[in-house]
Amino acid sequence: GAGVSQSPSNKVTEKGKDVELRCDPISGHTALYWYRQSLGQGLEFLIYFQGNSAPDKSGLPSDRFSAERTGGSVSTLTIQRTQQEDSAVYLCASSSRRDRGNTIYFGEGSWLTVV
Amino acid sequence: QQQVKQSPQSLIVQKGGIPIINCAYENTAFDYFPWYQQFPGKGPALLIAIRPDVSEKKEGRFTISFNKSAKQFSLHIMDSQPGDSATYFCAASMVFGNEKLTFGTGTRLTIIP
Repeated sequence: GAGVSQSPSNKVTEKGKDVELRCDPISGHTALYWYRQSLGQGLEFLIYFQGNSAPDKSGLPSDRFSAERTGGSVSTLTIQRTQQEDSAVYLCASSSRRDRGNTIYFGEGSWLTVV
Repeated sequence: QQQVKQSPQSLIVQKGGIPIINCAYENTAFDYFPWYQQFPGKGPALLIAIRPDVSEKKEGRFTISFNKSAKQFSLHIMDSQPGDSATYFCAASMVFGNEKLTFGTGTRLTIIP
């Protein structure tokens, strides 16, 4: 597809379970971002991948959160031992250095509910 | 140094009015300032962006005003319409170097008929 694709779009999980969220960036985009948005709140940066550089993990809230990007394309955000406070929309975005001004394009998000 | 402060948190304007949303940044290395618009249930989408070499940029009914010395920028929406009701986020980053966007906390805008 032409846009950033995220799956699942909705996920309900029990407290303590692990979840994986997937992001397919726009083809050819070298940069990939994960943000978290709690209900009615702003965008919290989680992690940033740029090409083959070491990822910027400075936004990950705890060691229960991890992300990887395979082959410079698809990314997976993993949350281990989920807690109720992890309930949020997880937004993935991608961009290309070739775009003037670093336009980043967001997916529609994965809505995570921990019960 | 990475913070972007946005105000107001929410705003209600009558149709045809000119809502103004303000942002301030701290990091003088920032040189790219976009605004994103988000409708409920959707991801944010780029609305308009500015670089610090100009003081104003217009695209349709949307205008960014930029004050480099004050480290502030604002979004104005001319002839606002109910369809403009959304959450607006300002952001800042560096074009080269660390391109990570730092977002403001968002403004929930409601345009009443």
